[in-house]
Amino acid sequence: NAGVTQTPKFQVLKTGQSMTLQCAQDMNHEYMSWYRQDPGMGLRLIHYSVGAGITDQGEVPNGYNVSRSTTEDFPLRLLSAAPSQTSVYFCASKRQGSRTEAFFGQGTRLTVV
Amino acid sequence: GQQLNQSPQSMFIQEGEDVSMNCTSSSIFNTWLWYKQDPGEGPVLLIALYKAGELTSNGRLTAQFGITRKDSFLNISASIPSDVGIYFCAGRVGETSGSRLTFGEGTQLTVNP
Repeated sequence: NAGVTQTPKFQVLKTGQSMTLQCAQDMNHEYMSWYRQDPGMGLRLIHYSVGAGITDQGEVPNGYNVSRSTTEDFPLRLLSAAPSQTSVYFCASKRQGSRTEAFFGQGTRLTVV
Repeated sequence: GQQLNQSPQSMFIQEGEDVSMNCTSSSIFNTWLWYKQDPGEGPVLLIALYKAGELTSNGRLTAQFGITRKDSFLNISASIPSDVGIYFCAGRVGETSGSRLTFGEGTQLTVNP
């Protein structure tokens, strides 16, 4: 029963580097999303997907790309990391349907120097 | 976009005391959720509210969905040291699974033994 698994747990990048944050869920959930958490700001939605092959932008999508080729995986790509992207990133998944709520992964703490 | 104002930002209490925190919004939400986040972990759902006026309990936790649909509160009775963490409210406008969650800024709770 892994739930939502995020890798890596910690990452340090240099400005301009690219990387992919991985997210996988084993619950066959249709809906997956990425949030970033910054001090005093709660969680803000970056991108989300309602199913394989379908993605859409959230509140703060700039600088991030996503794809959803399978139901299980929803990677988040930083194309050219910037210090403003230093944050804790959370992936979440949920089953379709009303009155079903999201399960969150443990987070990836990213520092861009 | 929608914004949630969560208060207080932090609380320092003695073990055994009761705790109350709330969220208010200028917009109407159709779902209110309360999450708890332990250090180094992702948010975990505590209580979900789906109907205006609804009062729901989960052990020592009680939450209510405000009649105006613009607010919600969470009470914790007889606090214990493991209640320490960050508590987030979240609201959702739509009824479909694709509709987004808006998070409050969080309430940091510290419980002194």
